[in-house]
Amino acid sequence: GEDVEQSLFLSVREGDSSVINCTYTDSSSTYLYWYKQEPGAGLQLLTYIFSNMDMKQDQRLTVLLNKKDKHLSLRIADTQTGDSAIYFCATGPLVFGKGTRLSVIA
Amino acid sequence: GAVVSQHPSRVICKSGTSVKIECRSLDFQATTMFWYRQFPKQSLMLMATSNEGSKATYEQGVEKDKFLINHASLTLSTLTVTSAHPEDSSFYICSARGERAEAFFGQGTRLTVV
Repeated sequence: GEDVEQSLFLSVREGDSSVINCTYTDSSSTYLYWYKQEPGAGLQLLTYIFSNMDMKQDQRLTVLLNKKDKHLSLRIADTQTGDSAIYFCATGPLVFGKGTRLSVIA
Repeated sequence: GAVVSQHPSRVICKSGTSVKIECRSLDFQATTMFWYRQFPKQSLMLMATSNEGSKATYEQGVEKDKFLINHASLTLSTLTVTSAHPEDSSFYICSARGERAEAFFGQGTRLTVV
């Protein structure tokens, strides 16, 4: 079946940029998603990218898609302590990676 | 973004009883709803996909008689965990998708079976 892989942990200093990477196997996905899960909470859709796009920017978030390598990344500029959470990469129809736990050090 | 309301957020039940979890799309019509289960420190596992008015499609390994899904209207889907046992304790999350591509998630339900 489809598989989505991402690193489990990332630690960055406040103010730095965070880059969370994801690789996937399903090349038929029309959309690819990034979700955020704060402790004890449900998932929040952060952003998504259409499969024919290379990049999408939304305020502090930049999504890069390399369809050839099946690689998706999420860059958070000026990372804040409030960005500490688990970030899930997902392909359609919503196959999730295991999530990357982002820790922001003040 | 669109709002999906999931209820209850927490429930504790006795072993052998059934529990119903509701998922409502508040400001859009959800033609497709997804039910997920999340184990501690693990990713979301898709349990089933349901389209309004038709039977749910269950993922391999998910017992359809144990996890009953009903999607009777375009704004409501329910997941009933029947004859719950401690191993069913988990975090259950629903997601709803309308005409647009993005799916919106409910807040999740933490089920504890004692």
